[in-house]
Amino acid sequence: ETGVTQSPTHLIKTRGQQVTLRCSSQSGHNTVSWYQQALGQGPQFIFQYYREEENGRGNFPPRFSGLQFPNYSSELNVNALELDDSALYLCASSLKGYDEAFFGQGTRLTVV
Amino acid sequence: GESVGLHLPTLSVQEGDNSIINCAYSNSASDYFIWYKQESGKGPQFIIDIRSNMDKRQGQRVTVLLNKTVKHLSLQIAATQPGDSAVYFCADMEYGNKLVFGAGTILRVKS
Repeated sequence: ETGVTQSPTHLIKTRGQQVTLRCSSQSGHNTVSWYQQALGQGPQFIFQYYREEENGRGNFPPRFSGLQFPNYSSELNVNALELDDSALYLCASSLKGYDEAFFGQGTRLTVV
Repeated sequence: GESVGLHLPTLSVQEGDNSIINCAYSNSASDYFIWYKQESGKGPQFIIDIRSNMDKRQGQRVTVLLNKTVKHLSLQIAATQPGDSAVYFCADMEYGNKLVFGAGTILRVKS
């Protein structure tokens, strides 16, 4: 157990809809990163949040957005869902200045 | 951007044998590398890491080797067990704790 929890574990949405995924970071961790993992591929960095602000972004369109709250938990929002957004979405928490990141179990999003 | 990739997509080994999983990276500025294990339905689990000022690091039943000259990483698992069956990823950490993952190697352990 890493102490990083994500919700929901599975989700089915229709193309064009919007979705919000949630992540609670490990106690004491102040940085949350989100990754998208398509089937059969490695995780791809979406963005990172530190002190409630975006602190780095990967090659994802603006319809992928996020939030970090004062308790360091985080949300990933995806608007105008596309079929290719179907993937496992992973959240990783870490402590700024330290390298090790701990992953949650992920949210499996299916867009139909 | 820079990429981290793996040579072998699938590796099958007999229980008790040693496993070697290989990884090539392209970012010569990378200075921190991590191996993750991912079981079905779970997130990646940290196995072992290594910094660029080292060429070998050992853990419990696992060893990571780093060859900076040819930009190559390997993960060695001793006495492979059925519980080691999973997908293994190497990753390098870029500025700001961003992880760049390779595509993964499936390890299958035959009993």
